[in-house]
Amino acid sequence: NAGVTQTPKFQVLKTGQSMTLQCAQDMNHEYMSWYRQDPGMGLRLIHYSVGAGITDQGEVPNGYNVSRSTTEDFPLRLLSAAPSQTSVYFCASRKIAGMETQYFGPGTRLLVL
Amino acid sequence: AQSVSQHNHHVILSEAASLELGCNYSYGGTVNLFWYVQYPGQHLQLLLKYFSGDPLVKGIKGFEAEFIKSKFSFNLRKPSVQWSDTAEYFCAVSGAGSYQLTFGKGTKLSVIP
Repeated sequence: NAGVTQTPKFQVLKTGQSMTLQCAQDMNHEYMSWYRQDPGMGLRLIHYSVGAGITDQGEVPNGYNVSRSTTEDFPLRLLSAAPSQTSVYFCASRKIAGMETQYFGPGTRLLVL
Repeated sequence: AQSVSQHNHHVILSEAASLELGCNYSYGGTVNLFWYVQYPGQHLQLLLKYFSGDPLVKGIKGFEAEFIKSKFSFNLRKPSVQWSDTAEYFCAVSGAGSYQLTFGKGTKLSVIP
């Protein structure tokens, strides 16, 4: 198993540009989520999904869109990047049933100029 | 809404010293509790978790944590730290039956050889 994978590892954007952060998992996990990590702020939930076709907002959803067309993939879209979106983005997944652990991807470091 | 408070922003210890990192949570029901570790430049990895049963939980790499329900606490301990324990440590909570994790702001641990 590759686990949770994310691409790209690092990206520089100009203000106003759009981009998609990719996340994929090969563990057949129903639940997937996106977090952003900022210094001194911990991890904050952006969006999450409990299965294909189902998404919902987390704590800090503004400026981000998600979709879940397959169980494996959960892309995060920045429609018009802003400097405040400079952060490290982590994707995570877990099985819904039981006392399961959430597994994290390696992260995408995004710099918006 | 649930919240997690980690008391120390940065802890500096010498090798072989004992470690205790504080974590308190606020939630109105049954909780699941987690400690994650993030080594420099890496993604989050699970150290240990508590769902139910024995409130003293043992994790990987010699770490343990004790759930004290009356104090809403889940402190992380290790009797003797090593230089390789230098990392950032995050406490997280989810409501029982919920998939969403709420993270504390993290505690950075620096171990001096």
